[in-house]
Amino acid sequence: GAGVSQSPSNKVTEKGKDVELRCDPISGHTALYWYRQRLGQGLEFLIYFQGNSAPDKSGLPSDRFSAERTGESVSTLTIQRTQQEDSAVYLCASSLSGSGNTIYFGEGSWLTVV
Amino acid sequence: KQEVTQIPAALSVPEGENLVLNCSFTDSAIYNLQWFRQDPGKGLTSLLLIQSSQREQTSGRLNASLDKSSGRSTLYIAASQPGDSATYLCAVLPNNNAGNMLTFGGGTRLMVKP
Repeated sequence: GAGVSQSPSNKVTEKGKDVELRCDPISGHTALYWYRQRLGQGLEFLIYFQGNSAPDKSGLPSDRFSAERTGESVSTLTIQRTQQEDSAVYLCASSLSGSGNTIYFGEGSWLTVV
Repeated sequence: KQEVTQIPAALSVPEGENLVLNCSFTDSAIYNLQWFRQDPGKGLTSLLLIQSSQREQTSGRLNASLDKSSGRSTLYIAASQPGDSATYLCAVLPNNNAGNMLTFGGGTRLMVKP
């Protein structure tokens, strides 16, 4: 597609339920990133994929968070047993391989845990 | 650990003014610096990317400068318009080959009044 596509755009879930967030990067972009932005706060790095492997998972806040990527394309971010503090917008971004390339963001998945 | 600070946190100006947004970072070992724009409820749009070897980049009414040794970047917006109202974020990419993790500043929330 023309840009980074994320789904769902909005999700309201009950505390304790699992959620899956999906990201379709720009075609041909081998690097993919997930960030989280809580209301009124800055962006927090979660995880980075180069191809299908994740050399940097340092930002995942707990073992309830996991992410995978297949076919050097779609990525899913899974949050198990959601908590209220997980409420945030989850932003996916992609770029061409290697450092120094412009990073393009999707419009985010807005998650509210009630 | 890299820290990125943006000043001011919020700015309100009348239409037509030229303005400067500031970004500072603590570790000068950066690969590049990007300026983004974020509209309410939206993702991030890349505005300008400056490689560490460059001093400035220009796009239309926007000009970004980089002084890597002093850890500073500025985004200059000429002849501001109400449509420029948004949050502006700067982000730096480390020069350590450890991945592609951007570190973001907290943003400057700009309002241009007609």
